[in-house]
Amino acid sequence: DTGVSQNPRHKITKRGQNVTFRCDPISEHNRLYWYRQTLGQGPEFLTYFQNEAQLEKSRLLSDRFSAERPKGSFSTLEIQRTEQGDSAMYLCASSLRGSQPQHFGDGTRLSIL
Amino acid sequence: DQQVKQNSPSLSVQEGRISILNCDYTNSMFDYFLWYKKYPAEGPTFLISISSIKDKNEDGRFTVFLNKSAKHLSLHIVPSQPGDSAVYFCAASGDNFNKFYFGSGTKLNVKP
Repeated sequence: DTGVSQNPRHKITKRGQNVTFRCDPISEHNRLYWYRQTLGQGPEFLTYFQNEAQLEKSRLLSDRFSAERPKGSFSTLEIQRTEQGDSAMYLCASSLRGSQPQHFGDGTRLSIL
Repeated sequence: DQQVKQNSPSLSVQEGRISILNCDYTNSMFDYFLWYKKYPAEGPTFLISISSIKDKNEDGRFTVFLNKSAKHLSLHIVPSQPGDSAVYFCAASGDNFNKFYFGSGTKLNVKP
């Protein structure tokens, strides 16, 4: 069990640029979640995959955000035309079954200049 | 639309005493509740969970209580240790586990 891995740990970019984050879940976990966390708040749900299928997506997720999980393995979260309000910690979590707790990665911190 | 609320941003407790962290929720469809602990620069780490069919779950020094009628859960840590100092989040989900809602966290400081 190598844990959930997220890359990069920190991303600094200029407003208007596109960014992509990667999450490698624990290998046998078929459930994968993305969250966003801002200062002083708890993780905010963004989207959920079961294997390669994206089954749930937050209404807060604008069309600038897209996530994929090809072949049900790693996942990517892309933000197009970044805005100041996108600055946050982006967390990925995985679990084997819904009733089992999620294992979180250490997150990718996005800073928009 | 904050469906899970932690109204105490911080809590300070003396080592050896009990820490009680509280969490309220608004959605009666929530079926599964969890507590996570988070240290700076790390992702949240699972502590303990409870399903709606139970009113108590215990794991070592950690006990979670669920009061469904009041839509309230609490986490008891006994005895508290300095290493317990962290931010604690409660979370909730419906029975399909497709979406989890987190509270805003309570920062616990356990003083030696």
